[in-house]
Amino acid sequence: DGGITQSPKYLFRKEGQNVTLSCEQNLNHDAMYWYRQDPGQGLRLIYYSQIVNDFQKGDIAEGYSVSREKKESFPLTVTSAQKNPTAFYLCASSTLTGGAYEQYFGPGTRLTVT
Amino acid sequence: AQSVSQHNHHVILSEAASLELGCNYSYGGTVNLFWYVQYPGQHLQLLLKYFSGDPLVKGIKGFEAEFIKSKFSFNLRKPSVQWSDTAEYFCAVNMNNFNKFYFGSGTKLNVKP
Repeated sequence: DGGITQSPKYLFRKEGQNVTLSCEQNLNHDAMYWYRQDPGQGLRLIYYSQIVNDFQKGDIAEGYSVSREKKESFPLTVTSAQKNPTAFYLCASSTLTGGAYEQYFGPGTRLTVT
Repeated sequence: AQSVSQHNHHVILSEAASLELGCNYSYGGTVNLFWYVQYPGQHLQLLLKYFSGDPLVKGIKGFEAEFIKSKFSFNLRKPSVQWSDTAEYFCAVNMNNFNKFYFGSGTKLNVKP
């Protein structure tokens, strides 16, 4: 069954701790993305990766880091430098369909930092 | 900077009412356009997309959207909504076929039974 998995669904951390969110896809997609979803703000791009061992900052990369060592995996680390880390985090991947890119989303991880 | 605007943040309708959600983008080049839906507690899923050709596109569950290039718009429509359409709807744009997507702020639709 092809898709994108994110774990865990809910994550709780104390302020000052780094935390890593997992994202795995078995769709054989080259590109992967991390978004943050906050009420009333839509999806904001944190980082994206077009290919393995390469990634670019999105619009709100400060306080986050990523790695892309394998095609299937794109973990996101929320560092203690991120001022407002509590949010819903969505991972996505994309592929060319009919000559244009199309994105697919994982179920998300809700992170609460207290 | 490129942007995507959804002007209706929260819409409340009764069942059988008609729906139109606005989406405007600011980019003069080639665009691919998408509407996604997020039902409560579920994944974001693709409702419909426009890549080229007929500017009126039909999606799942009776939704359609019209691309009007001169107005930089891609409004979502449904002639008769159901309670099960209660969800949050996001417009997204991909510009010049570059592998990066821009999302609007979302519209929460509440359909009263």
